[in-house]
Amino acid sequence: GAVVSQHPSRVICKSGTSVKIECRSLDFQATTMFWYRQFPKQSLMLMATSNEGSKATYEQGVEKDKFLINHASLTLSTLTVTSAHPEDSSFYICSASHWTVNEQFFGPGTRLTVL
Amino acid sequence: AQSVTQLGSHVSVSEGALVLLRCNYSSSVPPYLFWYVQYPNQGLQLLLKYTSAATLVKGINGFEAEFKKSETSFHLTKPSAHMSDAAEYFCAVSEGNRDDKIIFGKGTRLHILP
Repeated sequence: GAVVSQHPSRVICKSGTSVKIECRSLDFQATTMFWYRQFPKQSLMLMATSNEGSKATYEQGVEKDKFLINHASLTLSTLTVTSAHPEDSSFYICSASHWTVNEQFFGPGTRLTVL
Repeated sequence: AQSVTQLGSHVSVSEGALVLLRCNYSSSVPPYLFWYVQYPNQGLQLLLKYTSAATLVKGINGFEAEFKKSETSFHLTKPSAHMSDAAEYFCAVSEGNRDDKIIFGKGTRLHILP
């Protein structure tokens, strides 16, 4: 299957700072990327869907001003957690898909810890 | 709206025994159904998917699942459990449109007993 990478794999930051997480599709062009968060021992919750070159569509209850998503190219999407707080600590996972394929390919995840 | 219910947050089976992880779905349109596996601190790996073709779907690592419309079920099975199967398993559903979002179940932690 297609390969999706995330960087960094782990990040620790102080409360109030912003953190950027990158999601890259390495061997295909992703027309759509998805961002999920996963709390310990829980399922994945979709945060937003982004199509290349357009604004992301956020799920209900997700603050768009806090979780900034950019999908500037067909191989890169970024999630920026602004003014992070301890409750934002979570495992963030991205996935990528191309409109010709009925499958999402998942990245390895990024563990964010906010002190 | 679509949803997925996984029965049992934890399932324990002995090594070599049958693995059965239950999943029921709700969908107003013909669904696409998926099973994913997640190892600790890792992303998701697709085990198998149903996309309206054969109702018995074979996946990787010896897993298979059967789509039963009358029961709205998509249970995951493996004839003989291996220690390496210990992981978190997620059942998921989508409407099958390209680039459509996936709705995940709460997950089932599979424990393999020696």
